[in-house]
Order: sequence, then structure tokens, then C-alpha cells
Amino acid sequence: GESVGLHLPTLSVQEGDNSIINCAYSNSASDYFIWYKQESGKGPQFIIDIRSNMDKRQGQRVTVLLNKTVKHLSLQIAATQPGDSAVYFCAEMLRTGNQFYFGTGTSLTVIP
Amino acid sequence: NAGVMQNPRHLVRRRGQEARLRCSPMKGHSHVYWYRQLPEEGLKFMVYLQKENIIDESGMPKERFSAEFPKEGPSILRIQQVVRGDSAAYFCASSPTGGSPLHFGNGTRLTVT
Repeated sequence: GESVGLHLPTLSVQEGDNSIINCAYSNSASDYFIWYKQESGKGPQFIIDIRSNMDKRQGQRVTVLLNKTVKHLSLQIAATQPGDSAVYFCAEMLRTGNQFYFGTGTSLTVIP
Repeated sequence: NAGVMQNPRHLVRRRGQEARLRCSPMKGHSHVYWYRQLPEEGLKFMVYLQKENIIDESGMPKERFSAEFPKEGPSILRIQQVVRGDSAAYFCASSPTGGSPLHFGNGTRLTVT
């Protein structure tokens, strides 16, 4: 299977600080990437996506950066809030594929 | 606009019994995916279906597991003769087209005793 991994399994940040969650992928044929947020007892929730023809995309309080040279993806959350506490997954789809491969996840804890 | 609906939310089965997990995709979505999640792990792809067709089942165990998405009604993931190792959260996701973001349900947590 494909390898989509994360550098850190857990991350703790102070409320109001910015958070950066990283993700490495191994397949240069990956074409489409999504960040999901999963709260306890719930299914993953779409946060933001990016295609391989872009290197940056911004949403509300979130930014995704894609570095295809080193096969690295990051999610930046500005002014992190307690409600941001969750597990964050990156998912990738190959150019020729029809499914998303998920990483293990990073657990983000926001300290009030 | 209802999201992806999965039922039951929790399912307990004894070893050897059958488990049936149901998924109703979002309205207008004809692509359904099933994923399995073990505690503290990511989601593992199992199967991708469109109405009446299995498109990719490369993540499905060869035995005891099957999936369908009939013309009418929900998608069903069926696990026959369950074993303890089948205990996991099973998530269904849907999308309007292939290659578009997946919308997930809240999962069915299967416990095999």
C-alpha cells in the first residue's frame, strides 16, 4: 500500500498560538491531498484540500502547504482554539487512483 | 441536507456471527467508500462502489467480507463469521464523483466478543 506518514503523533499548543501539523508522502504520482479532522466518536471531517498543481491554499484560519520536491504536506492552523483539539489526518490520492490513502494521524491538544 | 448516515452506531457480535453495516450516502452521491479504523490508527481503505458496481475492492479481506451498493437502498458491508480481529470502527464515505472529497459518516463500532 501507499505510505502516508506523519512526523509527530501528538502535538500540544497553547490556545491562541499557531499550530503546524506535518505529513510526508512517498508516491510522486500523488495528485490530490486532503486534510481531515476527526473528533472523538465521530467520522473525519473535511478541512481543506490541495491539488498537485498548487503549493499553497488558504481557508478560514487554515493554510495547507505542499512541497512536491520533498513530498511534504503541512496544515497550519492560526490562533488555535480548544475546539481545534482533535486528530488530524492527511490523505492522498494518486493521479491514476480512485481511493484516498490516510496517514496515522496527529493528535492535537489545545491547552487553554 | 442529511449527511452520510451509518447504522447501527454500535454493534456487538459473538464470534462466528454475521455483522451487517449499513450506509446511506449523501443525497446526490453515487460513489461510496468503506474504510476500517483500528484504535489509534488511520483509516484503511476497504472497498469503493458505485451503484450496483464494485469499482475497487483491493482493501477487502479475501474471505468473509463483502460489500454491495444496490440500485435502491443503502450500501451494505457484510462480515460473515466474525472474529475478534474484526473489532474496529467502520466508516462509510460518499462523494458525488470519483476523485472529489469524501464525506464521512460517524461510523459503526463493531465489537466482537
